[in-house]
Amino acid sequence: KNEVEQSPQNLTAQEGEFITINCSYSVGISALHWLQQHPGGGIVSLFMLSSGKKKHGRLIATINIQEKHSSLHITASHPRDSAVYICAGPILETSGSRLTFGEGTQLTVNP
Amino acid sequence: EPEVTQTPSHQVTQMGQEVILRCVPISNHLYFYWYRQILGQKVEFLVSFYNNEISEKSEIFDDQFSVERPDGSNFTLKIRSTKLEDSAMYFCASRLAGVGGTQYFGPGTRLTVL
Repeated sequence: KNEVEQSPQNLTAQEGEFITINCSYSVGISALHWLQQHPGGGIVSLFMLSSGKKKHGRLIATINIQEKHSSLHITASHPRDSAVYICAGPILETSGSRLTFGEGTQLTVNP
Repeated sequence: EPEVTQTPSHQVTQMGQEVILRCVPISNHLYFYWYRQILGQKVEFLVSFYNNEISEKSEIFDDQFSVERPDGSNFTLKIRSTKLEDSAMYFCASRLAGVGGTQYFGPGTRLTVL
């Protein structure tokens, strides 16, 4: 079983739709990262959160530490949001807080 | 805004050759990481580095791999004798001190071993 699991694996939406990507984890983590990977391969950190909710533009991330679950929401989706979204957590038990990654969710937003 | 940089962006090498991937972390960061992503797979941890020594490494990081911080700015990953299965995207990341802070990723180096 993966330490970090995401759903869905693939998501296709129409422009303007509200999108939710879910992440569940089975290990102790101090916080959760949401990352965006562009088609060229580069990774951008979107959020790191350890409790509650964070918002940046049309992106909202929430986390429930007790339930070990986080969600990434995109409001008013746009074709430029098409990318792979990855959740990752720094493992508490490790000395260097290495990240463990989910498989990623491939999001395609059609015009 | 400060960012992590990596060179080269793409490296092609023959099997058995040595490669060095270079990273310049954000200047006041203290923790450094290498991750890799084989095409179609998830990102995997390779090694973390703090205070001029390896703090943790994965099973992937065997004797063929080494890391170094030769000066105050560069952080390098060396693969001594590359194998076909080393073909992947290699990401460097860095963060400030403290537990579990935000890690900032470089753009990656795509390594192709022929």
